[in-house]
Amino acid sequence: SQQGEEDPQALSIQEGENATMNCSYKTSINNLQWYRQNSGRGLVHLILIRSNEREKHSGRLRVTLDTSKKSSSLLITASRAADTASYFCATDDDSSYKLIFGSGTRLLVRP
Amino acid sequence: KAGVTQTPRYLIKTRGQQVTLSCSPISGHRSVSWYQQTPGQGLQFLFEYFSETQRNKGNFPGRFSGRQFSNSRSEMNVSTLELGDSALYLCASSTGQGVYEQYFGPGTRLTVT
Repeated sequence: SQQGEEDPQALSIQEGENATMNCSYKTSINNLQWYRQNSGRGLVHLILIRSNEREKHSGRLRVTLDTSKKSSSLLITASRAADTASYFCATDDDSSYKLIFGSGTRLLVRP
Repeated sequence: KAGVTQTPRYLIKTRGQQVTLSCSPISGHRSVSWYQQTPGQGLQFLFEYFSETQRNKGNFPGRFSGRQFSNSRSEMNVSTLELGDSALYLCASSTGQGVYEQYFGPGTRLTVT
């Protein structure tokens, strides 16, 4: 079963705009990760935020984590057409060695 | 370092057959995880191996099995294929210790007819 639910399911923006995706999860976690997937290919790791962190940056990516609300957001600034992909959040069950993925957000960046 | 490789990339099988998929992790990685991705169920965890031992298993029937070899390469097997097994099967490797990100292969697209 999927732990995370992502919102929105789909997002269409113009190149240069910012894109924000949200993820909610159910159980306690050690860390939360975001991955990108281009049209049915393998996933690419974007960023990992630990449960004791509130915000993390990597290039044009900014991730926040609110463990009290069991939610995270991914912000992509100054989006590019190449950012068009599906984005997934993934959490670890703190008692196991597996990632539980959200349902994903499909991002379309129009040139 | 070379990335995670999966073979074959595409596979077409008939109901009732069995299939074996292979995954070679990044050099030095001892953990290999397998995921199934379908439009309806999304990404679902199948199992994870670390140093040839299965550490965790998802909620899949016994028709799905796997193993890991001493060189960390892993295989997964699906027996008695069903139409619903059509999916993208993704393999991911990691160091397997502590907090870690996973590195995914390109996947094997399995179609069951």
